[in-house]
Amino acid sequence: NAGVTQTPKFQVLKTGQSMTLQCAQDMNHNSMYWYRQDPGMGLRLIYYSASEGTTDKGEVPNGYNVSRLNKREFSLRLESAAPSQTSVYFCASSAPGGANTEAFFGQGTRLTVV
Amino acid sequence: AQSVSQHNHHVILSEAASLELGCNYSYGGTVNLFWYVQYPGQHLQLLLKYFSGDPLVKGIKGFEAEFIKSKFSFNLRKPSVQWSDTAEYFCAVNARNTGFQKLVFGTGTRLLVSP
Repeated sequence: NAGVTQTPKFQVLKTGQSMTLQCAQDMNHNSMYWYRQDPGMGLRLIYYSASEGTTDKGEVPNGYNVSRLNKREFSLRLESAAPSQTSVYFCASSAPGGANTEAFFGQGTRLTVV
Repeated sequence: AQSVSQHNHHVILSEAASLELGCNYSYGGTVNLFWYVQYPGQHLQLLLKYFSGDPLVKGIKGFEAEFIKSKFSFNLRKPSVQWSDTAEYFCAVNARNTGFQKLVFGTGTRLLVSP
């Protein structure tokens, strides 16, 4: 049981380059999330998808786009990377129902934009 | 809007010492409370959670937390830490019956346990 799988684990981009972070879960969860983690700031929600076919902005959506490709997969795209997007990115998913439940996290993608 | 405060940003302990990490939240309604742990180089894992019932919650690896509603607190405790407890600990809160997308994380506490 793989849980939540993210790729890649590490990436270095030049300013202005684009890339897509991939996330897949095998727990049949409806809801999926993308967070960024920065020192001293905890985790901040970028985008989430409450169910297949829907996406919504979180706390820090600027500079990102997402796609909920199917129930399993939720990707995060940086169209034109900026140094401020240097961070560790975590994907998560939560069980059907959403409320009063817990989320499961992937192992993270460490992104550096130079 | 909710907010979560973790007052200790860095804690250094010797093995076998007792641990208490503070977590306070601001929200007037009913809440769900979580403690997550992130070991070096790994993803976040759930330590324990409180939804309702007994305010003293026991989690994995000997951790426990007590919800004190009057103090808006959910402090994490462990009687005797081990070197393997070295990690970053995050408290998180969301309002009852809201989705996980409403979860608010604290800024984290880095715990270093020296052997």
